[in-house]
Parts: sequence; structure tokens; C-alpha cells
Amino acid sequence: RKEVEQDPGPFNVPEGATVAFNCTYSNSASQSFFWYRQDCRKEPKLLMSVYSSGNEDGRFTAQLNRASQYISLLIRDSKLSDSATYLCVVNEGGVTGGGNKLTFGTGTQLKVEL
Amino acid sequence: DVKVTQSSRYLVKRTGEKVFLECVQDMDHENMFWYRQDPGLGLRLIYFSYDVKMKEKGDIPEGYSVSREKKERFSLILESASTNQTSMYLCASSKMDTEAFFGQGTRLTVV
Repeated sequence: RKEVEQDPGPFNVPEGATVAFNCTYSNSASQSFFWYRQDCRKEPKLLMSVYSSGNEDGRFTAQLNRASQYISLLIRDSKLSDSATYLCVVNEGGVTGGGNKLTFGTGTQLKVEL
Repeated sequence: DVKVTQSSRYLVKRTGEKVFLECVQDMDHENMFWYRQDPGLGLRLIYFSYDVKMKEKGDIPEGYSVSREKKERFSLILESASTNQTSMYLCASSKMDTEAFFGQGTRLTVV
């Protein structure tokens, strides 16, 4: 079983639609969680951190469910510019001697169409 | 702004060559990471480091080694490059328990 799993998509949605992505993780000791966005041939960039209480940033809402070990990303009123790959990231916490192991999902591709 | 700089955007090397990929960050981050990204496989962690001279294997360390002699610099070494190491290599850094910032990536082709 992969440590972090995402549906690869693609999700093809019309402009203005609401779309949701889920991501499951296997390590119950994971400490922090993030959503990244990656455009074609570019490096990943942080979209938002995910907190236990849930958090919202404009049209984007992230939720964490520790009991079921998944995180979600909701995008409202999709724009053409939202087309990208969305990566779920899990911080599996300290290893022997310290440090953080950041594990990425394979990403979910979103295509927003006219 | 955090800056993570990788020494090359594109690199072509021959099979069997020793290859060095360099990464420098300017924000005094404790953690540094090397990933490779391949279609359909996503980002896979090769090695990471949480302090000078400290390193931990990631999920796919075979065929690679790393060096962290200074806090700001993390080098990935391919001891004897092979064609299956053709990939996009991404370096990242972070402070403890916070998000990672990425370099622009190095596209390595081994012929």
C-alpha cells in the first residue's frame, strides 16, 4: 500500500464548477499536511497547509480527518487558471535523530474547461 | 522570499559517469530533500538531511548518495549514472515541521 494515495484523475470540469480531491495516508503518526500545486514543467509550490480544524483561503478549503486518515481539498468557482496537478503532502514526522520526512502523493490532475 | 537554487536546469551525462547535482538554500533551513519525479510515479524521496553531515534514506536511495557539509548546501551524487536514472530531480528545503520550498528542478538525461 502506498503511503500517500491520490486519484490521478484527470478531473475535467467546466469553469465555475466545484471540485473536490481526497488523499489518504497510511502513517497514523503523521504530523502535518499540505496541498501543493504543480504546473506543467514547473516545480511544486505550496497551495495551503491543512489544519485539524480545517482552513479556507478564498475559493480553496482544506480539511483533515485524522480518524479516517485522509485530507481533502475543495475548490469552488473553478477558474481556467486552476488547471494544474494538485499534490497531497504528508509530514511523517521525526526520524531517528530528528528531521522530517515529507512524502508526496502522485498528484491529481485538474483541467478546467470553458 | 525563500530561494532554493539548483546548479543546472538541464544535464546530459553518459552511462557510468559520476554525476553531482548541487542545491543551495538561503533561508537557514534545517531540512533539505532530494526527490525525483517521473510520469505516473509522482515525487519520490531519494534522501533527506536534517542537519549538517546528517542524512536519512528516503524511499529510493539505491544508486545515489548525498553530502551535506554546510547547512545551506545539499548535494546528490550518482556514483555511476545509468539510463534508468534519467529523470527530473527536485531539491527542497524546509524548517522543522513546516512546508518545503523547491528549486526549479534539474532534468537529467543519461545516454
